[in-house]
Amino acid sequence: DAGVIQSPRHEVTEMGQEVTLRCKPISGHNSLFWYRQTMMRGLELLIYFNNNVPIDDSGMPEDRFSAKMPNASFSTLKIQPSEPRDSAVYFCASSFLAAPSGNTIYFGEGSWLTVV
Amino acid sequence: TQLLEQSPQFLSIQEGENLTVYCNSSSVFSSLQWYRQEPGEGPVLLVTVVTGGEVKKLKRLTFQFGDARKDSSLHITAAQPGDTGLYLCAGGRVNAGNMLTFGGGTRLMVKP
Repeated sequence: DAGVIQSPRHEVTEMGQEVTLRCKPISGHNSLFWYRQTMMRGLELLIYFNNNVPIDDSGMPEDRFSAKMPNASFSTLKIQPSEPRDSAVYFCASSFLAAPSGNTIYFGEGSWLTVV
Repeated sequence: TQLLEQSPQFLSIQEGENLTVYCNSSSVFSSLQWYRQEPGEGPVLLVTVVTGGEVKKLKRLTFQFGDARKDSSLHITAAQPGDTGLYLCAGGRVNAGNMLTFGGGTRLMVKP
């Protein structure tokens, strides 16, 4: 079975450039998450969609970050303009909301972003 | 500020030793999950506990949810090099959908 698919796996870009990260969730899942992971701050939730609708975006660092989910099988996380402090691993994850709590979340392999 | 505090942050042990990793919070969670993350990959779910006092075993791994559902522990018996990785606990709350609060992680290295 295909898991959560993210692209690109690695990206190196110059400060000021636009970065777009892509995610294809597991088919049938109705929840999608974007996380950012760094050594200093650990795993942080950026935004959470349920049924393609953003439910909580309080973790989005600032206006330079935006996320969309135009349909159930695709989401993007965009950073414009990018800054060196955005360098991190960005994970997309998906889940099916079947129970009030304790549902399994499946993570992609991550997009490793380096902004120089 | 981490709502879920994990300890220790780093642990380096020899193959065959036992270890315990702790996940503590002042908040009550309706569920507690443990994930393991290997280098270059995303976290993978190991177990979910939902009942206060619940104990689950997964081969050499034993997971416990505190009676008050504020803390959890992961005990590994006879650690092996394959257990090396980042262990993350994550708490869920009812009516929060699938949103989880992750701890800072415990980075475990098991040396042969």
